[in-house]
Amino acid sequence: DVKVTQSSRYLVKRTGEKVFLECVQDMDHENMFWYRQDPGLGLRLIYFSYDVKMKEKGDIPEGYSVSREKKERFSLILESASTNQTSMYLCATDTRTGTNYNEQFFGPGTRLTVL
Amino acid sequence: AQTVTQSQPEMSVQEAETVTLSCTYDTSESDYYLFWYKQPPSRQMILVIRQEAYKQQNATENRFSVNFQKAAKSFSLKISDSQLGDAAMYFCAYRRDRNSGGYQKVTFGIGTKLQVIP
Repeated sequence: DVKVTQSSRYLVKRTGEKVFLECVQDMDHENMFWYRQDPGLGLRLIYFSYDVKMKEKGDIPEGYSVSREKKERFSLILESASTNQTSMYLCATDTRTGTNYNEQFFGPGTRLTVL
Repeated sequence: AQTVTQSQPEMSVQEAETVTLSCTYDTSESDYYLFWYKQPPSRQMILVIRQEAYKQQNATENRFSVNFQKAAKSFSLKISDSQLGDAAMYFCAYRRDRNSGGYQKVTFGIGTKLQVIP
């Protein structure tokens, strides 16, 4: 089974702080994603990465950056947290090969509150 | 751009009854995939069922089945013999086929919250 873990389930930060959210997967998937989930808005793609050190902007990249130094790890960085970044953050992975190539596997989510 | 619409923010069903969740989508592509994902309270999102657009036959997975109407761009999920464990947020999602070229972004609907009444 694919296992996708996220560093924290709940996180409380103050406005202006630098925030790191980490995601680790153990299935050797090439692709990793960061989504933001808000009520009434569904899941929105922030950034994704299709290889080590490669990244692409999603639909809402403003205020975020990412880092992928190793294949299994994908970090989301909030350079200067703001209250409108209070949300649930979901990490996901998938692979370009195999029979389940288009299924996304999700982490448990990090609920971030910015005060 | 592709869009996915779930018009039912909340639904409820009696245990052991059948419920249908609606989803419509908009695309100009001919080859794509449609998904229903389930997100139980405080638990990870998981895939429920997948449909390939080129297949006319509706996908089924045990108590879960879909009604895929390609011309109408409709993709509803039917849950039969509903169980308490089916209570969750359900997301409809679209992804174009990898042979379409480029990165195949997943577009999600806003979700339908399903309550199962004992």
